[in-house]
Amino acid sequence: DQQVKQNSPSLSVQEGRISILNCDYTNSMFDYFLWYKKYPAEGPTFLISISSIKDKNEDGRFTVFLNKSAKHLSLHIVPSQPGDSAVYFCASPNNRDDKIIFGKGTRLHILP
Amino acid sequence: NAGVMQNPRHLVRRRGQEARLRCSPMKGHSHVYWYRQLPEEGLKFMVYLQKENIIDESGMPKERFSAEFPKEGPSILRIQQVVRGDSAAYFCASSPRLGPDYEQYFGPGTRLTVT
Repeated sequence: DQQVKQNSPSLSVQEGRISILNCDYTNSMFDYFLWYKKYPAEGPTFLISISSIKDKNEDGRFTVFLNKSAKHLSLHIVPSQPGDSAVYFCASPNNRDDKIIFGKGTRLHILP
Repeated sequence: NAGVMQNPRHLVRRRGQEARLRCSPMKGHSHVYWYRQLPEEGLKFMVYLQKENIIDESGMPKERFSAEFPKEGPSILRIQQVVRGDSAAYFCASSPRLGPDYEQYFGPGTRLTVT
């Protein structure tokens, strides 16, 4: 029973272009969302978050969009850089009480 | 300000042996979480602890797995009588508090290989 779904296991984007990573969720109780970035042999690092009271949150090259009616969020990276090549996890805290529910991740390759 | 520390980074055990994974949270953090990542999978929650208390262990297998976070010292995830299916990356995370904008900070992980 996957409550957070990332349906694209991998994505390749040309350097300088926009990367768009998608995420769907099923639990309408989720009201806070996080994106984590993970390099090989390292732990995930927090990237950006969004609360359900907003539909957009921007931090530098990273913007997260939330569509509550569609239970969908997306992470936009523009312009994409080689260092952005990593696995990106969409996640949501379980009603903010304890555990974080993670998607399976999307591996982003930035092509030179 | 050191981040979350985990050791060992790599651990090899034979079937039937015990594995002990350690996690030292960030300074000032009193909430510790353990996650497991199987190959080609996302991170799956295992257990959430505060000092001397297990708050939520709903993700822990019922047998062979245990976790503690003593008053002094690191949090320990213990796996008894390991089997090949326990091979995975185990990540510890810590956070300072609960609240509307909390984040969990992850350690580098321990990669357990059972031979």
